Amino acid sequence: AQSVSQHNHHVILSEAASLELGCNYSYGGTVNLFWYVQYPGQHLQLLLKYFSGDPLVKGIKGFEAEFIKSKFSFNLRKPSVQWSDTAEYFCAVNAHSNTGKLIFGQGTTLQVKP
Amino acid sequence: ETGVTQTPRHLVMGMTNKKSLKCEQHLGHNAMYWYKQSAKKPLELMFVYSLEERVENNSVPSRFSPECPNSSHLFLHLHTLQPEDSALYLCASSQGLEGQGFFGQGTRLTVV
Repeated sequence: AQSVSQHNHHVILSEAASLELGCNYSYGGTVNLFWYVQYPGQHLQLLLKYFSGDPLVKGIKGFEAEFIKSKFSFNLRKPSVQWSDTAEYFCAVNAHSNTGKLIFGQGTTLQVKP
Repeated sequence: ETGVTQTPRHLVMGMTNKKSLKCEQHLGHNAMYWYKQSAKKPLELMFVYSLEERVENNSVPSRFSPECPNSSHLFLHLHTLQPEDSALYLCASSQGLEGQGFFGQGTRLTVV
C-alpha cells in the first residue's frame, strides 16, 4: 500500500537554526507532492507543492523543498527558522491524479524556541 | 477566513444519535473532500466528490454517509457512531483532482 513517512515526529530548534524535515513516500509512478502547515489553532495551509519541472520548489515564508525521485523523497527546508514557524508540518502525496486521493504523513511538530 | 467553512466547530453526540456535519466552500472549486484526523495518526481521506459525484470512498463504515447536493456544499451524516470515531473531521475543496486542497478548520467530534 502507498504510504508517506515523516521521520521526525518532534523537532525543537532555536531561532535562526536551519531546518530540514524528512519525507519519503512509497509509490513508483508519477506523483504530486505537497507540504502543509498547521499553526496552533488554525486550519491546514499549503506551504508548497511539486507537480513537475524544477525539483527544487520554493514556497511561502521562506520554505523550500527538493524532490529527489531516486530517493522517493521530498524534504522540507528553511535556512533560518523563526519562533512563528512553530507548527505542525505534514507531507502529502497524490499518487492518483484522477481521484484526488491525498496520502498524508503522520506530521512533524516543530517547536522553535525564542 | 479560509474559504472553506465547517459547522459546527465542536460536536458531542451519543452513540444512538444522528447528526450531520456541514461544509461550505466559497472558492468556486469543483471537488470536495472529507478527511478524518485522529490523534497520533495521519490524516485519512474518507470521501471525494468531483462535480457532485462521489469518486472515492476510502473503505469508510456505512455509519458515515456523505452528501454533496451542489459544488459548494458537502455534508457528512453520522449515525450510531462508536467512541473510536471521535476525531477532528476536516473538509477540503480543490479545483480539479490533482490533490491540492484548501482546508476548513474542522469539526471536533466526541462520541460518548
